[in-house]
Amino acid sequence: AQTVTQSQPEMSVQEAETVTLSCTYDTSESDYYLFWYKQPPSRQMILVIRQEAYKQQNATENRFSVNFQKAAKSFSLKISDSQLGDAAMYFCAYRSAGGNKLVFGAGTILRVKS
Amino acid sequence: DAGITQSPRHKVTETGTPVTLRCHQTENHRYMYWYRQDPGHGLRLIHYSYGVKDTDKGEVSDGYSVSRSKTEDFLLTLESATSSQTSVYFCAISGGPSGRGLEQFFGPGTRLTVL
Repeated sequence: AQTVTQSQPEMSVQEAETVTLSCTYDTSESDYYLFWYKQPPSRQMILVIRQEAYKQQNATENRFSVNFQKAAKSFSLKISDSQLGDAAMYFCAYRSAGGNKLVFGAGTILRVKS
Repeated sequence: DAGITQSPRHKVTETGTPVTLRCHQTENHRYMYWYRQDPGHGLRLIHYSYGVKDTDKGEVSDGYSVSRSKTEDFLLTLESATSSQTSVYFCAISGGPSGRGLEQFFGPGTRLTVL
């Protein structure tokens, strides 16, 4: 079974600075998808970014980018120019290419200081 | 907004009582899921459905049952609620009508407290 580990329960960043959230996963599969979800205090789950394992290029969405290291099974999220609205719980998730279920990490709480 | 609602949004119940949570979608997605969210565990899959009347167990299915009699509705039932089932429950949908869409869209969540 696949597992996803987020080793940082909490992180803090100063507004306008850059922060990196870590995620590692364990799988024997070669084709899969990785996701970062954001959960603000409203509790709504919002997809931030997605990476296909077959793509070598790291995904980028505006201020959000990933560092995908397939051999190391690492998938970190970098948030540039942090804003107060980025404060949330962030979840890393894994999905097999041949399946539909998501496996989530335990989450990292990100606090943004003004 | 992916057109997914959950009801009720909050519920307090007593140990031993049956509880049913409803997930309703207006997007005609093929797949539907029930997760529970607990501190230190992230979201864990309870049950999922890959079509009308087609369901399967997830990681933490003990004590839960589901039903899907229509494309748009996915019900989660706790036959006899226990305090360990106090949690926030999320419904999700994915796949689109073809079943090929990658992204899962989540409902707003239901906070269930079992006393």
